[in-house]
Amino acid sequence: EDQVTQSPEALRLQEGESSSLNCSYTVSGLRGLFWYRQDPGKGPEFLFTLYSAGEEKEKERLKATLTKKESFLHITAPKPEDSATYLCAVQAEETSGSRLTFGEGTQLTVNP
Amino acid sequence: GAVVSQHPSWVICKSGTSVKIECRSLDFQATTMFWYRQFPKQSLMLMATSNEGSKATYEQGVEKDKFLINHASLTLSTLTVTSAHPEDSSFYICSARGLAIQTQYFGPGTRLLVL
Repeated sequence: EDQVTQSPEALRLQEGESSSLNCSYTVSGLRGLFWYRQDPGKGPEFLFTLYSAGEEKEKERLKATLTKKESFLHITAPKPEDSATYLCAVQAEETSGSRLTFGEGTQLTVNP
Repeated sequence: GAVVSQHPSWVICKSGTSVKIECRSLDFQATTMFWYRQFPKQSLMLMATSNEGSKATYEQGVEKDKFLINHASLTLSTLTVTSAHPEDSSFYICSARGLAIQTQYFGPGTRLLVL
């Protein structure tokens, strides 16, 4: 069974204080790992897709990396507007219907 | 690109009535659409997967007669909650992906409150 575990559950940072969110996964052949951002009362917003170990992607203050067992979302010099819940999800190669398995998310709060 | 809309964003209804939620892909053809349910402080729970022109595949424990899903075109899927009860109150979110695209793009969600 595919499993995704995100840590920490919640993270409070001061503005400008860089940190990383972790996503550990167990999957029978990874087709893709996805990062989303979700604001309260809204649907998830797509951030990154990673396909193979060693791959990295960047967008503004965010950088996602991937190994064979986990992914990190690095946040450099965060701003209050980066406050949100960050969700990690995996899609297995043998998944029927391309369903995603989500982690429980990391709730990030950035204080000014 | 890859914009998904949902309508309505909010709905309040009486117990026993049916509610229809629409999910549209605005700038791409969605060969597959997904319906999720999310409770407060929890992650997304997949309810069903639908491919255009085919019957939806429901996850274990989801009543297909209660949550009717139709995916009649490449840009529209609907979820109908039949005979809604207070326990059906939740945040419903759809997502869509196109052919040969692995990424699911999500709609803004629909908040359902059943009185």
